[in-house]
Amino acid sequence: GQSLEQPSEVTAVEGAIVQINCTYQTSGFYGLSWYQQHDGGAPTFLSYNALDGLEETGRFSSFLSRSDSYGYLLLQELQMKDSASYFCAVSPGDDKLIFGTGTRLQVFP
Amino acid sequence: NAGVTQTPKFRILKIGQSMTLQCAQDMNHNYMYWYRQDPGMGLKLIYYSVGAGITDKGEVPNGYNVSRSTTEDFPLRLELAAPSQTSVYFCASSYPITGSYNEQFFGPGTRLTVL
Repeated sequence: GQSLEQPSEVTAVEGAIVQINCTYQTSGFYGLSWYQQHDGGAPTFLSYNALDGLEETGRFSSFLSRSDSYGYLLLQELQMKDSASYFCAVSPGDDKLIFGTGTRLQVFP
Repeated sequence: NAGVTQTPKFRILKIGQSMTLQCAQDMNHNYMYWYRQDPGMGLKLIYYSVGAGITDKGEVPNGYNVSRSTTEDFPLRLELAAPSQTSVYFCASSYPITGSYNEQFFGPGTRLTVL
């Protein structure tokens, strides 16, 4: 089976950089993705790593290391609107997603 | 495009009642999914479908049923509701492109309480 672990909460101030880690135990998957979810809202896609290394999308970057069973989401130039929950997810096939436990990010002024 | 729509937004059920959560998408996506999200937790896959007439179980299918008679609609049926089914239910869809990642698009969710 698959399991993905994330820290439950991270706090930071506006303008800072924060890293949200995701460690996983899985027998195989196509890639690691990240979704953002504001309170009361639906998850929205942020980024995807099919290969090891860093993927950059504006202020957000995501990293994957299959040999270390580890990935992270890096958020730069934090803004108040970045306060949300962030989920990593693996794709085992058929475009299914197995989600991590989620990290709640609180950004303070 | 409306994207993925879900009805109802909120519902309170009594133990033992049944109901159908509706989900529709107008993006011509082949793949559709049902997830549940318990408070403070991640999403768990209940059922998914890779096309009309094809459905399969996810991580937590017990107590639920689905059908997929059209590309657009993917209803989720709860039979004999139990308090453990109190959750937020999200429907999602994606368009499969071989060899690349297919972002899932989520509906706004249905908040269900079973008392």
